Amino acid sequence: DADVTQTPRNRITKTGKRIMLECSQTKGHDRMYWYRQDPGLGLRLIYYSFDVKDINKGEISDGYSVSRQAQAKFSLSLESAIPNQTALYFCATSDKGSLSYEQYFGPGTRLTVT
Amino acid sequence: DAKTTQPTSMDCAEGRAANLPCNHSTISGNEYVYWYRQIHSQGPQYIIHGLKNNETNEMASLIITEDRKSSTLILPHATLRDTAVYYCIVRDYYNYGQNFVFGPGTRLSVLP
Repeated sequence: DADVTQTPRNRITKTGKRIMLECSQTKGHDRMYWYRQDPGLGLRLIYYSFDVKDINKGEISDGYSVSRQAQAKFSLSLESAIPNQTALYFCATSDKGSLSYEQYFGPGTRLTVT
Repeated sequence: DAKTTQPTSMDCAEGRAANLPCNHSTISGNEYVYWYRQIHSQGPQYIIHGLKNNETNEMASLIITEDRKSSTLILPHATLRDTAVYYCIVRDYYNYGQNFVFGPGTRLSVLP
């Protein structure tokens, strides 16, 4: 069973719609992250959370919001989706106590905004 | 500003060693070198990390030059399943707020 799961895996939505991407983890990690990836590019950090009460903006937070409902759940919302938010979205986790700061990634959500 | 530079793409014959270079000429004393890979739009996968000593694990070896300005990831016996984009990342080990910055990486194609 996957340690980091994302739902939905694929989603097509229309411009202006609100959409939520969900991430759940069973690794018991404190830290969770949301990244987006555009074709041919690396990953860019949207938001990250070091614990339930600690949420921080990443490199490209405009147009996005997040909610850390519990240690194991971190949701990303697009309040009013626009076509240039079409991308592959990844959730990741890491262990605060880990000396390596290794991040574990989910399988990704492919979002298309038409 | 990008902290690392990597070739855009590389080829390697199956069964041979794949040597992926990375330049990080502005690396500071507390920054570690990390390598991740991403296989065909899956989530990135951690491979290895190091500070200044060479490191080896079950997946790969990491060779860091003495001046720490460059490093090489070595996959000793590349297989077709190693075809992926490989990311070299530097990160301040003691800056708990710093996150990983994934650049475009190197696309490695392992050829039969």
